[in-house]
Amino acid sequence: NAGVTQTPKFRILKIGQSMTLQCAQDMNHNYMYWYRQDPGMGLKLIYYSVGAGITDKGEVPNGYNVSRSTTEDFPLRLELAAPSQTSVYFCASRSPALSGNTIYFGEGSWLTVV
Amino acid sequence: TQLLEQSPQFLSIQEGENLTVYCNSSSVFSSLQWYRQEPGEGPVLLVTVVTGGEVKKLKRLTFQFGDARKDSSLHITAAQPGDTGLYLCASATGTASKLTFGTGTRLQVTL
Repeated sequence: NAGVTQTPKFRILKIGQSMTLQCAQDMNHNYMYWYRQDPGMGLKLIYYSVGAGITDKGEVPNGYNVSRSTTEDFPLRLELAAPSQTSVYFCASRSPALSGNTIYFGEGSWLTVV
Repeated sequence: TQLLEQSPQFLSIQEGENLTVYCNSSSVFSSLQWYRQEPGEGPVLLVTVVTGGEVKKLKRLTFQFGDARKDSSLHITAAQPGDTGLYLCASATGTASKLTFGTGTRLQVTL
């Protein structure tokens, strides 16, 4: 079972560059999320989606964009990368039909902006 | 946004010792989850507590939800090196179950 797959695992960006973090899930989950985690801290919600074509901002959306053209994919776009965006990014998904609100996380994407 | 404070921030103990980690908020939780995150990986759900006063056990881990549903604790008995990791509490809000995470407790268990 693949679960939630994120690519790339590691990336170094120069200030001002742009890139897309890919996230795919094969569990037919409607809900998907992007979080960032700064060193030694908890996770903060960037964007989320409740289904294809529907996205909404989380706690820290500035500097990011998302799209949800299919149920499976939820890419996160960084425009004009800044050092403050150096972090670990986690994609997650959940089915609203599951009891206990179990959310499944990917393994993370480490991004450094220099 | 609901704020979740965890204490302690760091904990370094020896194998066989007991420990308790706390998660507190000024707001009432509808439910609360505990996660463990190991280096290089995403968080993994340990337990969900829903009812005030609820106690759940997962092998050597005991989770308690406060009567007023504003706090929770995680107690580990006879800690082992495999318990090392970042422990996060989280509360889900809204129909999309957006998780708000606590600040985390980093636990290191040494031999």
